[in-house]
Amino acid sequence: DTEVTQTPKHLVMGMTNKKSLKCEQHMGHRAMYWYKQKAKKPPELMFVYSYEKLSINESVPSRFSPECPNSSLLNLHLHALQPEDSALYLCASSQEWEPDTQYFGPGTRLTVL
Amino acid sequence: KQEVTQIPAALSVPEGENLVLNCSFTDSAIYNLQWFRQDPGKGLTSLLLIQSSQREQTSGRLNASLDKSSGRSTLYIAASQPGDSATYLCAVTNSGYSTLTFGKGTMLLVSP
Repeated sequence: DTEVTQTPKHLVMGMTNKKSLKCEQHMGHRAMYWYKQKAKKPPELMFVYSYEKLSINESVPSRFSPECPNSSLLNLHLHALQPEDSALYLCASSQEWEPDTQYFGPGTRLTVL
Repeated sequence: KQEVTQIPAALSVPEGENLVLNCSFTDSAIYNLQWFRQDPGKGLTSLLLIQSSQREQTSGRLNASLDKSSGRSTLYIAASQPGDSATYLCAVTNSGYSTLTFGKGTMLLVSP
């Protein structure tokens, strides 16, 4: 199984809402990633978790809060977002947090009203 | 800091043509290079991965080459089809850490 799953596929939220994005993999990978992709732009790295510990935070605003409750699951908690946060949020995983192949999920399309 | 450039930014061809997409990177200390396909509003589909020690990889009508010393990769698509229409992204994994640096992509349109 080389699949990374993400839920929900689409999410519409207001600026005062709290919501969460979920990412799951069952490949035994110990590194997981969140990327943000705006329209017609390449993906930008947000966070890296290695062995369930946050290893990289690319200066992401605190209204985005990542969580890695176990080695298979990665969440992104959203609170008080802005309309400019509307984007495709992609999750990826790799065997280890060292040079390796990353497998991407299908993404969650987020719209902030 | 690694920078990845893709040329052309957009390409429109009639069905059946063979075509080449180009990718260049500034730091040759890479672990591997991947070519992805992305359909509008969708996630990334990995097409080909070339390890730094390899020169090329092939999958069906796709062939990707890597010249690490000159910092270049090409994706060759043979006998293009309308279903090939998508954005193609090149990404390098930088040695040392498993972080990907993406190019801005080439938007391909294959017309019937």
